[in-house]
Amino acid sequence: AQSVTQLGSHVSVSEGALVLLRCNYSSSVPPYLFWYVQYPNQGLQLLLKYTSAATLVKGINGFEAEFKKSETSFHLTKPSAHMSDAAEYFCAVSDPARYNAGNMLTFGGGTRLMVKP
Amino acid sequence: NAGVTQTPKFQVLKTGQSMTLQCAQDMNHEYMSWYRQDPGMGLRLIHYSVGAGITDQGEVPNGYNVSRSTTEDFPLRLLSAAPSQTSVYFCATLRGGHNEQFFGPGTRLTVL
Repeated sequence: AQSVTQLGSHVSVSEGALVLLRCNYSSSVPPYLFWYVQYPNQGLQLLLKYTSAATLVKGINGFEAEFKKSETSFHLTKPSAHMSDAAEYFCAVSDPARYNAGNMLTFGGGTRLMVKP
Repeated sequence: NAGVTQTPKFQVLKTGQSMTLQCAQDMNHEYMSWYRQDPGMGLRLIHYSVGAGITDQGEVPNGYNVSRSTTEDFPLRLLSAAPSQTSVYFCATLRGGHNEQFFGPGTRLTVL
């Protein structure tokens, strides 16, 4: 079984400050890992993904995440927060074999990012 | 392309009523799935389909039925709604051999 833990259901940063959203996973096999963003009243949009290539993954809107196997982590970072980054962020994990067979993702509980002016 | 569309956007039901949430896609993706989103719990997989005529259960299938008669459509049926099914429902698609799921805009369901 797989699971995802996102530390901190709410994170508040000032505009221009570093964004760090934490994600730890549990998986019995090398996983696929994803970060999604959800803006108010919208569906989920993929930010970035790790699928066993480079461990440092760059995504859209200046976000990046690093896969650290030893720490079972996939934390999301952005050097400088912008007001438009305010949203809810979800980390997700999948067993590659099951993902490619259509059995989808296991999500964390989400982290709501607030950006103060 | 419209991508993934869901109807209705909002729905209020009384306990015991039935309804169908519609999901349609025009990307010819083989895989489709339904998730529900509840505060603090992220998204949980209800049912998924790997192609027309093939469906399987996800993490929280009880109280929901699905069918997939065409590649384009994947409706989710609530046969007898319960207050515990109050949630936001998302449909998603995945193209075989690729890694990105595409999500619809969601349906917000309230069961009184």
